[in-house]
Amino acid sequence: GQNIDQPTEMTATEGAIVQINCTYQTSGFNGLFWYQQHAGEAPTFLSYNVLDGLEEKGRFSSFLSRSKGYSYLLLKELQMKDSASYLCAVKGGSYIPTFGRGTSLIVHP
Amino acid sequence: DTEVTQTPKHLVMGMTNKKSLKCEQHMGHRAMYWYKQKAKKPPELMFVYSYEKLSINESVPSRFSPECPNSSLLNLHLHALQPEDSALYLCASSQAPSGRVVNEQFFGPGTRLTVL
Repeated sequence: GQNIDQPTEMTATEGAIVQINCTYQTSGFNGLFWYQQHAGEAPTFLSYNVLDGLEEKGRFSSFLSRSKGYSYLLLKELQMKDSASYLCAVKGGSYIPTFGRGTSLIVHP
Repeated sequence: DTEVTQTPKHLVMGMTNKKSLKCEQHMGHRAMYWYKQKAKKPPELMFVYSYEKLSINESVPSRFSPECPNSSLLNLHLHALQPEDSALYLCASSQAPSGRVVNEQFFGPGTRLTVL
């Protein structure tokens, strides 16, 4: 089975940096995804990590440590539109991603 | 075309009704998924089709019946639903599940279902 843990909610200030953590336990590991979901909308793909290290994509970066079962999503220069739920999803032995409960990020002025 | 479309956007049905949700993609993806999402919860996997064959059924009640007529279409037939089945139903597609490629999922906008 899989167990994925993320904080339920985080708040941050516009222009700041925020780090959203995800820890997981899985039998078999074939990659970790981060998705963004605005209220009432579909999740959209942000990043994918399968090897240890940092993947950078514009204002968003994602880090993975397989030995620690740990990932984080780093959001820089926060904007109001970044207020959303951020979902960590782990691809285990079945190759089908399992979603964590999501972290609701609130960005305030 | 990187879009997954779903119809209808909203559906209200009684417990004795029969209705269907439809999903379509033209990205050549060979895996398609149905998820159920309740408010403030993550998407919950229901079914996975891989190469038009049902590969995963996450112990979903038989009042939900999936169908994959071809590689671009995915339906979810609904019959005798309960009020607790009210939720957002998301369809997604990806390259066939594999450890060798990223195969991120592309999600449709969802169907907001209300069962009275």
